[in-house]
Amino acid sequence: QKEVEQDPGPLSVPEGAIVSLNCTYSNSAFQYFMWYRQYSRKGPELLMYTYSSGNKEDGRFTAQVDKSSKYISLFIRDSQPSDSATYLCAMRWGGAQKLVFGQGTRLTINP
Amino acid sequence: DADVTQTPRNRITKTGKRIMLECSQTKGHDRMYWYRQDPGLGLRLIYYSFDVKDINKGEISDGYSVSRQAQAKFSLSLESAIPNQTALYFCATSGVREDEETQYFGPGTRLLVL
Repeated sequence: QKEVEQDPGPLSVPEGAIVSLNCTYSNSAFQYFMWYRQYSRKGPELLMYTYSSGNKEDGRFTAQVDKSSKYISLFIRDSQPSDSATYLCAMRWGGAQKLVFGQGTRLTINP
Repeated sequence: DADVTQTPRNRITKTGKRIMLECSQTKGHDRMYWYRQDPGLGLRLIYYSFDVKDINKGEISDGYSVSRQAQAKFSLSLESAIPNQTALYFCATSGVREDEETQYFGPGTRLLVL
């Protein structure tokens, strides 16, 4: 069993839809949770970062962490074609900077 | 100019050849990482270095070696390339503070081993 599981998709939705991306994990020691966005032929870039449980909002993006269920989510509101990318969840435990990544979900927003 | 650069961007090589991928950064970060990305497997850590004298194996280090020539330079070598090392390779850097969560990635090197 992988430490971090992420549905690879692909996921295709119409412009303006609400998108939900999810990851589950098995290591209860994880404390820091991140979402990276990767455009085609580019390196990943940090989109959202959350420490421990709770929600974090940044514009159209909301990250949620439910440590009791070992489940994290990224919501994209009013999705735009420019949001089309691969989204990777990543996490680590305290005191370490080695990230464990999910497989990535390829998202396409159709105009 | 990009903060994290990788050379070459694309490389085709043959089985058994030695190949080196290079990474340079201008962010002043002490910590550097090498990952490979395969379809359906996400990013997997090959090696990481927390300073010039500190080199550590990641989850998939077999068949690879690294050299940290300076704070700004971290190279990945495949001593004898094999086809299943065909992948997209990324270098990344990060700061040392607990709250410096961002890893900054380079643009990647696409490697094909025939």
